[in-house]
Amino acid sequence: NAGVTQTPKFQVLKTGQSMTLQCAQDMNHNSMYWYRQDPGMGLRLIYYSASEGTTDKGEVPNGYNVSRLNKREFSLRLESAAPSQTSVYFCATNGQRLLNTEAFFGQGTRLTVV
Amino acid sequence: RKEVEQDPGPFNVPEGATVAFNCTYSNSASQSFFWYRQDCRKEPKLLMSVYSSGNEDGRFTAQLNRASQYISLLIRDSKLSDSATYLCVVNKYSGAGSYQLTFGKGTKLSVIP
Repeated sequence: NAGVTQTPKFQVLKTGQSMTLQCAQDMNHNSMYWYRQDPGMGLRLIYYSASEGTTDKGEVPNGYNVSRLNKREFSLRLESAAPSQTSVYFCATNGQRLLNTEAFFGQGTRLTVV
Repeated sequence: RKEVEQDPGPFNVPEGATVAFNCTYSNSASQSFFWYRQDCRKEPKLLMSVYSSGNEDGRFTAQLNRASQYISLLIRDSKLSDSATYLCVVNKYSGAGSYQLTFGKGTKLSVIP
């Protein structure tokens, strides 16, 4: 049982390049999330998807786009990477029960933009 | 005011010590509360949920005060393996079957031999 799988684990981009971070879950959860984590800033929500076919902006959406391809997959795209997007990116998913909304995370993608 | 605020840390404690982390949240509509643990360069993982009546899991005790919008985590008899960053997490219903998790910045704990 893989849980939440992110690819790639590491990436170096040049300023202006584009890339897509992939996330897939096999937990049959409806909700999926993309966070970025920077030193001293904690985890900040970029975008989330409550269910297949819906996406919403989080706290820091500028410079990113997302696609909820199906129930399992939620991708994050950087159209024109900037050094400020150097960060660790985490995908997460959780279920719908009110009292048990534990989030499960992927292992993270460490992105450096030079 | 930040949605979730935690003690700045870091906390450096000797093995066997008792350590307490505090957290406050600003949104009274928040519905669920958690403590997550994050090891260096790893993903966050659930440590424990926090219930209104308080709950305990071995050496870990969590408390919630809804009136004060305050959450705490107590670790007794600290072990070297407890060294990690502890994240206070608040969950609220945001409509359309979706829940938003908001994370505190975390408090780093180092347990020293």
